[in-house]
Amino acid sequence: DAKTTQPPSMDCAEGRAANLPCNHSTISGNEYVYWYRQIHSQGPQYIIHGLKNNETNEMASLIITEDRKSSTLILPHATLRDTAVYYCIVRGIIQGAQKLVFGQGTRLTINP
Amino acid sequence: NAGVMQNPRHLVRRRGQEARLRCSPMKGHSHVYWYRQLPEEGLKFMVYLQKENIIDESGMPKERFSAEFPKEGPSILRIQQVVRGDSAAYFCASSSRDGSSYEQYFGPGTRLTVT
Repeated sequence: DAKTTQPPSMDCAEGRAANLPCNHSTISGNEYVYWYRQIHSQGPQYIIHGLKNNETNEMASLIITEDRKSSTLILPHATLRDTAVYYCIVRGIIQGAQKLVFGQGTRLTINP
Repeated sequence: NAGVMQNPRHLVRRRGQEARLRCSPMKGHSHVYWYRQLPEEGLKFMVYLQKENIIDESGMPKERFSAEFPKEGPSILRIQQVVRGDSAAYFCASSSRDGSSYEQYFGPGTRLTVT
């Protein structure tokens, strides 16, 4: 699986959009970009994933660059409950290669 | 629709005892994954199972650890003769199918403390 690079920490004001970057310059054509978050020792929570098109769901938007070497997770109106560690994970579709490889993630703090 | 269930949520064992951690996947999910998170560290994959089969155990320690996912009942992660270094949070996840596009949903975890 491709390696990802994320800033170790970020701050965002409550009510503003939080934009979390992720670099995955070695991503290959059959690898998806996944985002998970972990709120203080809870189980990781799936947020969103994509292959090459931008994606949006009720939680967030995922913007993937045209060359797929980087992506941005957008939380449109951050709340205090969005404070968490956010993980960007690149994962292939090879049969049997199903594990998620978690890096250090970005610790996002939402400030009142 | 209930999510992934894990029990117990907290488990205390003395060195040398056995620990059994249980995971009930989401309804309709037949793929189970176990991850471990040591204190102040990231999540590490341990094992991936489908019903009655171990698919990938590349993250399992070679000794004392085993996992199963029987045809009926929850998946079990078993740690024999626990040591202090086994103290960690153990998370189970499940997915509905094989294939990278299918997301994994995590349970709340079991926090194992070895005294």
